[in-house]
Amino acid sequence: AQSVAQPEDQVNVAEGNPLTVKCTYSVSGNPYLFWYVQYPNRGLQFLLKYITGDNLVKGSYGFEAEFNKSQTSFHLKKPSALVSDSALYFCAVMNYGGATNKLIFGTGTLLAVQP
Amino acid sequence: DTAVSQTPKYLVTQMGNDKSIKCEQNLGHDTMYWYKQDSKKFLKIMFSYNNKELIINETVPNRFSPKSPDKAHLNLHINSLELGDSAVYFCASSRWQRDFTDTQYFGPGTRLTVL
Repeated sequence: AQSVAQPEDQVNVAEGNPLTVKCTYSVSGNPYLFWYVQYPNRGLQFLLKYITGDNLVKGSYGFEAEFNKSQTSFHLKKPSALVSDSALYFCAVMNYGGATNKLIFGTGTLLAVQP
Repeated sequence: DTAVSQTPKYLVTQMGNDKSIKCEQNLGHDTMYWYKQDSKKFLKIMFSYNNKELIINETVPNRFSPKSPDKAHLNLHINSLELGDSAVYFCASSRWQRDFTDTQYFGPGTRLTVL
């Protein structure tokens, strides 16, 4: 079965500094990986996904993620954090097989950007 | 121009009542989902429908009954509400899931509180 782990419950970073939100995965077969963001009292918004190809995936709001097969990681990054980036970030993997597939989410990482 | 919409946004009710949450998507997608987010922000899939046909049922109690009148709508009816049903319920949609890479787009969520 596919799974993802987000080892940090919370990440604190100062505005203007680079940020990294970590995610590791465990899959059998090809990994299809996603990042979503949830702002307070809002739904989940899609940021980016890795399907195949270039290991560096660029997404919305200046975010990018690096797929690392040897380390089974898919960390989310941004060169310069904004206070408005403060939110809950979810990594997810597509669990596929048979006639169905579904997103399996990590436990989420709260990003707090201090001004 | 909301892509995936849910009503109501908030739902407060007594134990034992029956309630419904509605979801509509205007993205032309064939597949729709219901997810539950608990108090610890953990997200888990409940159901998935493709073209009005149930394809995923994640061992959800049969008090929960999804209904899809057409492929743009997926409603969730809950009978005999229990305290443990209190959560945020998210609807999502994607293209037909034979393509495992399809992005799921989420609604804003419905916060259900059972008293």
